[in-house]
Amino acid sequence: QKEVEQDPGPLSVPEGAIVSLNCTYSNSAFQYFMWYRQYSRKGPELLMYTYSSGNKEDGRFTAQVDKSSKYISLFIRDSQPSDSATYLCAMVGAMGNQGGKLIFGQGTELSVKP
Amino acid sequence: NAGVTQTPKFRILKIGQSMTLQCTQDMNHNYMYWYRQDPGMGLKLIYYSVGAGITDKGEVPNGYNVSRSTTEDFPLRLELAAPSQTSVYFCASSAPGQGADEKLFFGSGTQLSVL
Repeated sequence: QKEVEQDPGPLSVPEGAIVSLNCTYSNSAFQYFMWYRQYSRKGPELLMYTYSSGNKEDGRFTAQVDKSSKYISLFIRDSQPSDSATYLCAMVGAMGNQGGKLIFGQGTELSVKP
Repeated sequence: NAGVTQTPKFRILKIGQSMTLQCTQDMNHNYMYWYRQDPGMGLKLIYYSVGAGITDKGEVPNGYNVSRSTTEDFPLRLELAAPSQTSVYFCASSAPGQGADEKLFFGSGTQLSVL
């Protein structure tokens, strides 16, 4: 069983839709949770960062963490064609990434159609 | 603001050839990383470094070597290239400290094909 599971998609939605991207994990030691966005032929860039259960909102983006279910989500409201990208979840334990321990999901490819 | 710069962007190698992927960052980050990204497989850590002169293996180090002589540079060396090394390679950096070292800054990648 992989430590982090993410549906690779691809996911195609119409402009304005609400998008839900999800990851499940098996290691209960994970404490910090991130979402990276990767445009085609570019490197990933950090989109959202959370370190506790609950919701964190940033504009049209909401990151949700449920540690009891070992489940994290990224919601995108009023999706735009510019949101078309691959979204990777990432997580790490309490010691952080000092030992290169950040674990990435496989990434979900999202396409938002005008 | 250059950030993390990788060269080359594209390269085709023949089986058995060697090459060095260059990576430099201008953010004075102590931590640097090399990842490879294969379709549907996410990012796999090859090597990482927590400072000049210090390197360590990641999840998939076989067939690669690194060095870290300065804070800014972290080249990745492929010896005796094999088709299994066909991938997109990303260099990344981060600052030390809880809450900071997980925030990686990535370069734009090197697409490598070994034929």
